[in-house]
Order: sequence, then structure tokens, then C-alpha cells
Amino acid sequence: QKEVEQDPGPLSVPEGAIVSLNCTYSNSAFQYFMWYRQYSRKGPELLMYTYSSGNKEDGRFTAQVDKSSKYISLFIRDSQPSDSATYLCAMSGGGKLVFGKGTKLTVNP
Amino acid sequence: DGGITQSPKYLFRKEGQNVTLSCEQNLNHDAMYWYRQDPGQGLRLIYYSQIVNDFQKGDIAEGYSVSREKKESFPLTVTSAQKNPTAFYLCASSMNRPGVDEKLFFGSGTQLSVL
Repeated sequence: QKEVEQDPGPLSVPEGAIVSLNCTYSNSAFQYFMWYRQYSRKGPELLMYTYSSGNKEDGRFTAQVDKSSKYISLFIRDSQPSDSATYLCAMSGGGKLVFGKGTKLTVNP
Repeated sequence: DGGITQSPKYLFRKEGQNVTLSCEQNLNHDAMYWYRQDPGQGLRLIYYSQIVNDFQKGDIAEGYSVSREKKESFPLTVTSAQKNPTAFYLCASSMNRPGVDEKLFFGSGTQLSVL
């Protein structure tokens, strides 16, 4: 079983849709959970950062962590064409930082 | 502006040639990293450094070398021993040491291609 699994997509949605992106993991030592957004041929930028379980909201973005199920999610409300990018989950703890492979999202006007 | 600067944006390597990718940060971060990104493979760690004059191999260090003579700088050399160097290379830095609650700040990347 891979340490972090993320569906690569691609995911295509109409403008205004609610988007759900997900990752699962197997390492119980992970305590910090992050989502990065990467536009084409650019470096990833940190979008959301969560410690342990729970929800965190920032504008149209909500990050959820369920440590009991080893499952994290990123929700994007009222999606915009400018949200079109690759979204990478990342997790750290126990001396490790591991990235998912990324999900490519396209929001169509 | 604080951030990470990678140069060049595009780089071409001839057979048997060593090339060096530059990474400079002015965030006063102790930890710096080099990642390789191939389509469909996500980010793979090449090397990381927690402090000046110290660095550790990542998951795919073979064919690469680094140095950390200054806190601000962490150049990556792709040697002729790296037989498949074509990839997008990302430099990153963080305030905390690897494996702790690090939030990584990335540069804009260097695309390396083989001529």
C-alpha cells in the first residue's frame, strides 16, 4: 500500500460547481496535512494547512482531516476558471514529508 | 520581496555534461530541498539540507550532488551519471526541519531537457 494515494483525475467541472479533492494515507505518524496548488509550469503554493483532525475554512476553500479513516479532503465552493490547476496533498510527521501525485482540475467557464 | 529564486527557467544538457541549477532564498529558512517532478509521478525528493554544510540524500539522489555553503543558497548539480535527467526541478525551503510541521515554499522551477 502506498503511503499517500491521490486520484490523478483529470477532473473537469463547470464554473460554480463544488469540487471535492481527496487523499488517503497509511502512515499513522502523519500529524500535519497540507494542500498545495500548482499552476502549469510553476512551483506549488501552499493553499491550506491543518494540524491533526478537523476542518479549516479559508474563503471558498475548506480542508477536512479524518485521522480515524486516514482520509483528507479539500472542498472548493463556487469554483472559478482561475482554480484550474493541479492540487497536491501533502502530509508530514514521524520525520517524513510525503506528497500525493496531484489531481488536475479544470473549471470550465 | 521574500521568496525563492530558481535559475535558469530552462536548461539544456548535452550528453556527458554536468549542469548546475541555482536556488537562492531570502526567507531566512534553515531547511532547503530539491524535488524532481515528472508527469504523473508527483514530487520526488532528491536532497535536503537542514543547516549550512549539512545535507542528506532523499529518495532519488543517484546522479545528483548538492552543496550548502551559505544559508541562502542550495545549488543542485545534475551529473553525467544521471541517465534520465529530463524533468521539472523544484527547490523549496521551510522554517522547520524536515518531517516536522514544515510548510514548504517553492521556487518557480527549472525545466531541464537533454539535447
